[in-house]
Amino acid sequence: QLQLQESGPGLVKPSETLSLTCTVSGGSISSSTYYWGWIRQPPGKGLEWIGSMYYSGSTYYNPSLKSRVTISVDTSKNQFSLKLSSVTAADTAVYYCARRGTAEDAFDIWGQGTMVTVSS
Amino acid sequence: QSVLTQPPSASGTPGQRVTISCSGSSSNIGSNTVNWYQQLPGTAPKLLIYSNNQRPSGVPDRFSGSKSGTSASLAISGLQSEDEADYYCATWDDSLNGYWVFGGGTTLTVL
Repeated sequence: QLQLQESGPGLVKPSETLSLTCTVSGGSISSSTYYWGWIRQPPGKGLEWIGSMYYSGSTYYNPSLKSRVTISVDTSKNQFSLKLSSVTAADTAVYYCARRGTAEDAFDIWGQGTMVTVSS
Repeated sequence: QSVLTQPPSASGTPGQRVTISCSGSSSNIGSNTVNWYQQLPGTAPKLLIYSNNQRPSGVPDRFSGSKSGTSASLAISGLQSEDEADYYCATWDDSLNGYWVFGGGTTLTVL
């Protein structure tokens, strides 16, 4: 059964870069039928899509975050990563990685999420 | 402000039928299919409905979805205590080169 697991620092200083990795187990990230994405949820608030990528490396981002976001893939490690630069307290959130099936066109498998706090 | 509008709260008693609405526009719901997610307290969201009205394997048929024009709805029949959760609608928005949008979420309370 496919599983996703986020990892990375739980505390990031303002103006620095937030870096997270999602490890995919039980399946290949190189499958042509899936996209892989990041979604975040500030404490007590709703969900916000950050961006997604295809195993080939093509990416697309939320317009509101595009200037600060980079999503990349390492197929040899079956991982994909998120970098969010120049963070502020507004970037404090639980960050989820998720799989989107091209057939269902929905995020069908999610990681458990990792809390990232931006604070000095 | 979310691109998709949901009521912040909904409630019902066990056994009742509850509906949650999701309102959008021509660039999102009006042009694309709608998905619904259930988020139990302290857990990651779970896909509940995809492509407007399709249930993933394992989702009870008490949950159903529909779409009309620029609005969508999630219906839960035979309400159970374990249905108490946050529910989010989501779809693709064709504006600004395209991006995924979520509703603000609806907290369902089972009285």
